[in-house]
Amino acid sequence: KQEVTQIPAALSVPEGENLVLNCSFTDSAIYNLQWFRQDPGKGLTSLLLIQSSQREQTSGRLNASLDKSSGRSTLYIAASQPGDSATYLCAVLSNYGGSQGNLIFGKGTKLSVKP
Amino acid sequence: DVKVTQSSRYLVKRTGEKVFLECVQDMDHENMFWYRQDPGLGLRLIYFSYDVKMKEKGDIPEGYSVSREKKERFSLILESASTNQTSMYLCASSLYRGGGHGNQPQHFGDGTRLSIL
Repeated sequence: KQEVTQIPAALSVPEGENLVLNCSFTDSAIYNLQWFRQDPGKGLTSLLLIQSSQREQTSGRLNASLDKSSGRSTLYIAASQPGDSATYLCAVLSNYGGSQGNLIFGKGTKLSVKP
Repeated sequence: DVKVTQSSRYLVKRTGEKVFLECVQDMDHENMFWYRQDPGLGLRLIYFSYDVKMKEKGDIPEGYSVSREKKERFSLILESASTNQTSMYLCASSLYRGGGHGNQPQHFGDGTRLSIL
């Protein structure tokens, strides 16, 4: 059974710092990995999606990497800002019953960026 | 931009009531999903659908049913609401691009915070 773990559960950094969020998964047979952001009381916003054949994806100050063989992904945030404060969720798409697959989520890392 | 709209942000119902949560997407996506999110447990998949009138059970389908009569609309039904169904419910959709698997990002609505009293 696929399990996704995110470490740390919470992180507090000063503004301007570069930071890395970690995600690990137990079964390397994934189709893709997706990083989301969730603001308090809100839904999820998709940040980056890495296909299983890719090593990394970049969007602005965000860079996500994927090492499928070791079951790891990292989300790198450059020059953090207070507006980056949110919970960041990692999810992997694994086969589940039908052909469409199913996202398995980690429990998230709550990031606080102090001005 | 993809728009996934959930009909209510907050909902309060009583135990034993039949509850309907509605979700509509405007991007002609084949796949739609219902999750619940609870502190310490994360997001868990309740049901998903990859076509009109099709449905598949997720991890925690007990006490729930779904309906997909039109492509853009996916309804979650609590047959007889109980207090342990108090939760944040999130709907998502994604495009199916062939190849046997839906390798497209899931897009989420803002969620419905449901309280069962």
